[in-house]
Amino acid sequence: GAGVSQSPSNKVTEKGKDVELRCDPISGHTALYWYRQSLGQGLEFLIYFQGNSAPDKSGLPSDRFSAERTGGSVSTLTIQRTQQEDSAVYLCASSLYPGLARRETQYFGPGTRLLVL
Amino acid sequence: AQSVAQPEDQVNVAEGNPLTVKCTYSVSGNPYLFWYVQYPNRGLQFLLKYITGDNLVKGSYGFEAEFNKSQTSFHLKKPSALVSDSALYFCAVRVNTGFQKLVFGTGTRLLVSP
Repeated sequence: GAGVSQSPSNKVTEKGKDVELRCDPISGHTALYWYRQSLGQGLEFLIYFQGNSAPDKSGLPSDRFSAERTGGSVSTLTIQRTQQEDSAVYLCASSLYPGLARRETQYFGPGTRLLVL
Repeated sequence: AQSVAQPEDQVNVAEGNPLTVKCTYSVSGNPYLFWYVQYPNRGLQFLLKYITGDNLVKGSYGFEAEFNKSQTSFHLKKPSALVSDSALYFCAVRVNTGFQKLVFGTGTRLLVSP
């Protein structure tokens, strides 16, 4: 595809359930990022992947959050035992050049809107 | 800490008038600054970025931004606003942690009236 895609677009779940959010980056992009957008916190960084490894997980809000990336492409963000405060829009972004390349630009997907009841 | 600030929650402008959305930054070293736009129920769309060079950066949809080092500002501008420009605009700075982590401002809602 031409852009970053995310699925599902919307997810409603009950408190305590686990959810998986998927991100398909732009083909050939080596770097992948997850962000969270919520009313109270604005846009916040969660985790970064370079290839399949995640050198920075500092933004994950708790140990209920985890993410993986396989084959240097698709990534899955998993939230275990969801809480109401997890309700937010989860955005994925990818970029072509790794590290601190000056040409680096992140391109975002449409997001997954998560509602925890 | 490296950060950006967007002092206005909302900007109102009439169609055809020039618009400015403000952003100031606080960084150590050379700033790498970005503007993104978000339409309702959509992800963020890249508009433009400043890395180095000319202080006036031109981007998508007729937008431009002016980098001002002395005022530590990176305001987004457009000479003539369109109703379709109504959206949420985010300024961001790249934090130099060894990779490109973006730190975003709180966003400014632009409303362009017919």
